[in-house]
This record gives sequence, C-alpha cells and structure tokens, in this order.
Amino acid sequence: EDKVVQSPLSLVVHEGDTVTLNCSYEVTNFRSLLWYKQEKKAPTFLFMLTSSGIEKKSGRLSSILDKKELSSILNITATQTGDSAIYLCAVRRGGGSNYKLTFGKGTLLTVNP
Amino acid sequence: DGGITQSPKYLFRKEGQNVTLSCEQNLNHDAMYWYRQDPGQGLRLIYYSQIVNDFQKGDIAEGYSVSREKKESFPLTVTSAQKNPTAFYLCASSIGGQINIQYFGAGTRLSVL
Repeated sequence: EDKVVQSPLSLVVHEGDTVTLNCSYEVTNFRSLLWYKQEKKAPTFLFMLTSSGIEKKSGRLSSILDKKELSSILNITATQTGDSAIYLCAVRRGGGSNYKLTFGKGTLLTVNP
Repeated sequence: DGGITQSPKYLFRKEGQNVTLSCEQNLNHDAMYWYRQDPGQGLRLIYYSQIVNDFQKGDIAEGYSVSREKKESFPLTVTSAQKNPTAFYLCASSIGGQINIQYFGAGTRLSVL
C-alpha cells in the first residue's frame, strides 16, 4: 500500500518568515510527486516533480525531490498572509495506465501579519 | 471558461436517504476522480474512472456508487449504506497519460440532518 507522510501537520509563522514543509513517501515504482495548495475549497496545483525534474521554482515557492531519501520539501520564502492554506503532497506510482494519486494528510500553514 | 463544476455546494442528507453529487468537466479530460476529505485527513480516493463506461473502486468505496455514461460527467451517489457521510467531497479530472496532473472542482459539503 502506498504511503505519504507530511510534516509538520500544522505550522504558525509571521509574515516574512521562510518555511519548509516536508513530504516522505513509500510507493511501488515511483513516477511523480505533486504539491497542491488548498485555501478554502478546491486544491490548486503547484508543482510536479519526477525523476527527470527534481527541482521546481515559481516565485517565492520552490520544491525539491530527493529520490534517495524518498522525500520532498516545499519552501516558501518571505511568507505572506495569502500563503495561509493547507499544503497537500501526493504521489503517483508508475506502471501502465495507473492514474491514481495517494495524498498525505496535509500541512496547515497559518501566516500571521 | 474550462473547468470542473460541482453541485450543489452544500447538501443535507436525511437518515436512510440516497443523495447524488454532480461533477461536470469541460476540459476534455479522460480521467475523473472522487475524493472525500475529513478534517485533518487529507484526501481519500472513493472511485475513479479512466474512460467512459468504466470505473474502479478507490480506497474507501463502500457506501458509494458512481456512473460514467458521458466523458464530461461523473456523478457520485452516497447511499444509505454509508453510515458516516458527513464530509467535504471533491471531484477531479486529469488528461491521463504521462503527465496526469489532477484538477479539482470547488467541492460539495455534505451533512446529515
């Protein structure tokens, strides 16, 4: 059974701080790892990391995949109150047309002004 | 505008009643998914469908049923056999294949009267 563990489960910081969210996984025949941001309702896609793309960056957000350690980190620099959300990590196994994602429980980030 | 539409936003179920949650997408995606989200639990897969007229059980399918008669529609029925239906339900779709980034609707919050 595939497994995704995120840490910490919740985090409170002040505006301007830098945060690092962690995601570790156990999956048969790993294909990709995805990060999503969920503010109120619909999770929105942030990054997808694969063996051929282990580092992604967009503005103040960046993510790295460590295939040796079976983990990924999501960094947010100079946090803003608008970064407050649940951050979800998900992994996809390879093999044929298997489209399933396995999600972690998420990290609830609260950024205070 | 392309996207995924879930309806209704809020739904109340009486004891012994079946209720159906709607999910429609106009992204021309092949694959569609239903997830359940409980507080602090992340997303758990209920059912998924990779093509029309075919669907597979996810991790928590008991008490739920689905159909996929059209590419753009994937309704979820919460049956009376689901004893703890109160949750936030998210529908997603993806183009499938190598990329398979899932995009989400805004969700339906189901409560029991």
